[in-house]
Amino acid sequence: QSALTQPASVSGSPGQSITISCTGTSSDVGRYNYVSWYQQHPGKAPKLMIYDVSNRPSGVSNRFSGSKSGNTASLTISGLQAEDEADYYCSSYTSSSTNYVFGTGTKVTVL
Amino acid sequence: QVQLVQSGAEVKKPGASVKVSCKASGYTFISYGISWVRQAPGQGLEWMGWISAYNANTNYAQKLQGRVTMTTDTSTSTAYMELRSLRSDDTAVYYCARDRVGGGLTDAFDIWGQGTMVTVSS
Repeated sequence: QSALTQPASVSGSPGQSITISCTGTSSDVGRYNYVSWYQQHPGKAPKLMIYDVSNRPSGVSNRFSGSKSGNTASLTISGLQAEDEADYYCSSYTSSSTNYVFGTGTKVTVL
Repeated sequence: QVQLVQSGAEVKKPGASVKVSCKASGYTFISYGISWVRQAPGQGLEWMGWISAYNANTNYAQKLQGRVTMTTDTSTSTAYMELRSLRSDDTAVYYCARDRVGGGLTDAFDIWGQGTMVTVSS
């Protein structure tokens, strides 16, 4: 089971919007609406930001939104803030014997 | 509050075994499954496997089959992950993570432990 493909890095200025893509296959992202996104600051555990493609857990800012089209999911961060600088990982349930697959990760830099 | 607290860092020699614990609090332990996820230095996240805290059913990533065992102790609300025949490429931070939805198939992991660094070196 290969990792989902994400861009290595994305950057933006404060207040701007950025979008991170997450490309999988018809066995994972394209097949299930179980796509989630995690934020990870250096030395910290991942934090759930989006589940079921586009749902935010309680306490997560509405500046974070998710979507999916075909085999590609996306995370959009609007009104970029310094605190958003972190690594972001997508994840999906998969029909393979390895039930869950993560993305390669994207480093978000706030300029 | 709901939390998962993991055991401390470990240093092991190649060929040895390591057992990491993950103690849950703030929720009904048997209502949710636990997954284990690892992250090698500077690398991404890798799902290792899952255990039901309700009936101890497990599902392991194919690449770790035969080397990993996940267990739970419901009397202490603790999950364990044991990895055997350690190699240098097993050096990583190991996380436990709670299923967002109980009952088996989950859509995401909503609570994470703080991570346990396991270093494999001769």
